Amino acid sequence: DVVMTQSPLSLPVTLGQPASISCRSSLSLVHSDGNTYLNWFQQRPGQSPRRLIYKVSNRDSGVPDRFSGSGSGTDFTLKISRVEAEDVGVYYCMQGTLWPYTFGQGTKVEI
Amino acid sequence: EVQLLESGGGLVQPGGSLRLSCAASGFTFSTYSMGWVRQAPGTGLEWVSVISGFDGKTYYADSVKGRFTISRDNSKNTLYLQMNSLRAEDTAVYYCTKGGRTTDYWGQGTLVTVSS
Repeated sequence: DVVMTQSPLSLPVTLGQPASISCRSSLSLVHSDGNTYLNWFQQRPGQSPRRLIYKVSNRDSGVPDRFSGSGSGTDFTLKISRVEAEDVGVYYCMQGTLWPYTFGQGTKVEI
Repeated sequence: EVQLLESGGGLVQPGGSLRLSCAASGFTFSTYSMGWVRQAPGTGLEWVSVISGFDGKTYYADSVKGRFTISRDNSKNTLYLQMNSLRAEDTAVYYCTKGGRTTDYWGQGTLVTVSS
């Protein structure tokens, strides 16, 4: 299985300051169709996961533009340009290139 | 508006069975892959199974292969997960998801507790 490794696992942040989460995969996530199926999800306390970013860098509708995704191959990053209070929660990267699809361990973002 | 509504969770004894359902609306159900992801208490996320919308092909995590069966009824816009030979380690919130590789919508989840 493709192992997804996130760091850090806990991220204390300051309101208004930037934050960054790293996600590394044990294999290249470039699919034979040319796409890289790397997604980012946010899970607020008591809620279901919500997709923020798909295929590395495509932001979902309704997601604030302070969230951005980047990377290629095996190294990926989620950045929050200016953290707001509503960003508290756990963030997961997920690969959809090879079955079984797998998630990172999660990064807990707290103020 | 996409909606996914899971049902069928509950308390079951080890070795027992449950069938989860997911009623979908707000999109053309038959054209999308659908899946189940679970989250054990206080832990991360694990893909359980996916079923293709195109050809009905199914995929399972090794941890559930041979015990769980995913299926869909496109006439009812409903996804199912038949869970047999349940174990304590299957205890989790089970989420229904729209899509596979780039899953974009999740239901609220249904809790399955396997305990004697």
